[in-house]
Amino acid sequence: GAVVSQHPSRVICKSGTSVKIECRSLDFQATTMFWYRQFPKQSLMLMATSNEGSKATYEQGVEKDKFLINHASLTLSTLTVTSAHPEDSSFYICSGGGGGTEAFFGQGTRLTVV
Amino acid sequence: AQSVTQLGSHVSVSEGALVLLRCNYSSSVPPYLFWYVQYPNQGLQLLLKYTSAATLVKGINGFEAEFKKSETSFHLTKPSAHMSDAAEYFCAVSGGATGGGNKLTFGTGTQLKVEL
Repeated sequence: GAVVSQHPSRVICKSGTSVKIECRSLDFQATTMFWYRQFPKQSLMLMATSNEGSKATYEQGVEKDKFLINHASLTLSTLTVTSAHPEDSSFYICSGGGGGTEAFFGQGTRLTVV
Repeated sequence: AQSVTQLGSHVSVSEGALVLLRCNYSSSVPPYLFWYVQYPNQGLQLLLKYTSAATLVKGINGFEAEFKKSETSFHLTKPSAHMSDAAEYFCAVSGGATGGGNKLTFGTGTQLKVEL
């Protein structure tokens, strides 16, 4: 299957700072990528749909000013958690598809805000 | 709109026993259905998928699932559990060929425990 690379895998940051997470499609072009959030022992909840060359589409209840998404190329989408707070601590996962029937997931990023 | 219900947040089986993880879905369009496995602090690995072809789908690691439209189910089975199968399993649905791309709606997950 196709490969989606997500970095960093783990990050610890201080409260009030911003953190950028990268999601790259290594062997396919992704006009659309998806960002999910997973709290401990819970399922994945879609946060937003990242669209190459245009604004991201956010799910209800997700603050677009807090979770900035940029999809400037067909192989890279970034999620920036701005002014992070401890409640933003979570596992963030991106996914993309090559236009087929399957979504390919990154390895995930464990964010801890202290 | 789609939704997924996974019955049983925790399932425990003995090594060598049958594994059955339940998934029921709701979809307003013909769905695509997926089972993913997740190990701690890792991403998701696709086990198998249904995309409107054969209703009995075989996946990796000996897993299979059967799409039953009349029951709106897509239960995951494996004839003989192995210790390495212990993980979190997620059932997911997408809007299939009619749209939604690869955007998935996930169930709440089932933690599989395999005992000696």
